[in-house]
Amino acid sequence: AQSVSQHNHHVILSEAASLELGCNYSYGGTVNLFWYVQYPGQHLQLLLKYFSGDPLVKGIKGFEAEFIKSKFSFNLRKPSVQWSDTAEYFCAVSHSGGYQKVTFGTGTKLQVIP
Amino acid sequence: GAVVSQHPSRVICKSGTSVKIECRSLDFQATTMFWYRQFPKQSLMLMATSNEGSKATYEQGVEKDKFLINHASLTLSTLTVTSAHPEDSSFYICSASGGQGVAEAFFGQGTRLTVV
Repeated sequence: AQSVSQHNHHVILSEAASLELGCNYSYGGTVNLFWYVQYPGQHLQLLLKYFSGDPLVKGIKGFEAEFIKSKFSFNLRKPSVQWSDTAEYFCAVSHSGGYQKVTFGTGTKLQVIP
Repeated sequence: GAVVSQHPSRVICKSGTSVKIECRSLDFQATTMFWYRQFPKQSLMLMATSNEGSKATYEQGVEKDKFLINHASLTLSTLTVTSAHPEDSSFYICSASGGQGVAEAFFGQGTRLTVV
């Protein structure tokens, strides 16, 4: 069975600091990888996804993630966070059909201090 | 992105009663809908996948007789928690996808169920 680990449960950063959220998955086959964001009081939204091709994926709002197959990782990065990035971030993986049977990590709460 | 509406957003019910949660795709046809459950400080756990007009496929450990899923149209799926107990209290989230393969799944806002 596939699983996803997010190592940081709660991250607090000052504005303009750089962000990196770790995500590791376990699955032996071909994977699709996702980062979702949930702003306070809002729905889960797709931040970015990797299906194939360039392992460096750029998403919305200046976020990017890099798929490193050898490390089974898909870390999320942003060079300079803003207060509006305060949210919960979920890494997720699926192994077939794109969005079918998506397995989520436990989430990381990011708090950005002005 | 497309809009998925989930209703109600919060519900409190008595033990032994049944509760129905609706998930609607407002501006696209959802051939596949997913139901998740989220416990406090834990991940979203996939409960079942439903394709329009077919029986839902339940994940291991999910009681199909307790969590009834209906996906009778391309815009509506319902989850009914039957004979609810306090341990069923949780956050339930649906997502809807407009097709197979790489079609994105859009999430509803979730339903907070409290069984007293």
